[in-house]
Amino acid sequence: AQSVTQPDARVTVSEGASLQLRCKYSYSGTPYLFWYVQYPRQGLQLLLKYYSGDPVVQGVNGFEAEFSKSNSSFHLRKASVHWSDSAVYFCALRRTGGYKVVFGSGTRLLVSP
Amino acid sequence: NAGVIQTPRHKVTGKGQEATLWCEPISGHSAVFWYRQTIVQGLEFLTYFRNQAPIDDSGMPKERFSAQMPNQSHSTLKIQSTQPQDSAVYLCASSHWGAEQFFGPGTRLTVL
Repeated sequence: AQSVTQPDARVTVSEGASLQLRCKYSYSGTPYLFWYVQYPRQGLQLLLKYYSGDPVVQGVNGFEAEFSKSNSSFHLRKASVHWSDSAVYFCALRRTGGYKVVFGSGTRLLVSP
Repeated sequence: NAGVIQTPRHKVTGKGQEATLWCEPISGHSAVFWYRQTIVQGLEFLTYFRNQAPIDDSGMPKERFSAQMPNQSHSTLKIQSTQPQDSAVYLCASSHWGAEQFFGPGTRLTVL
């Protein structure tokens, strides 16, 4: 069975600082990986996805993530955060050929002025 | 493209009443998913339709919950005899087969 772990429930960073949100997964094969963001009272919005190829994938609003098979990780990064990035971020996994997406527990990001 | 549409956005029911939640997937998407989101349990998969056919309802509580997709333009999630523990945000998502899922804004169900 596959699983996703986001070890940090809350992260606080100052506006303009760099950001890394951690995501570890458990799956024997090479998964499809996703990062979603959820703003208050809204659904989940896709930030980026990894299917194959270049392990560094670019997303919207300056976000990127790096897939590491050796570390079973898919960490999300941003060089300079803005107050509007405050939200809950979910890492998710789908096994190759499957349809069910497994979500991590989410990381609440607070960007302080 | 309006994205996935969910109605109502908020629903308040009394204990024991029925609640029906509606989802309109993105036009052309063949897959529809329902999830339940709570603070305690996080995002839980409920059920999945492909080309309107129910494929996997393994996440649905066996009693009181049912989902249908009578046509390609909408799906419903029905909860009979609602209980306080059913209070949650119910999210609908759609996708092309094998592609990433796009989520609606959710329906916040409150059972008093």
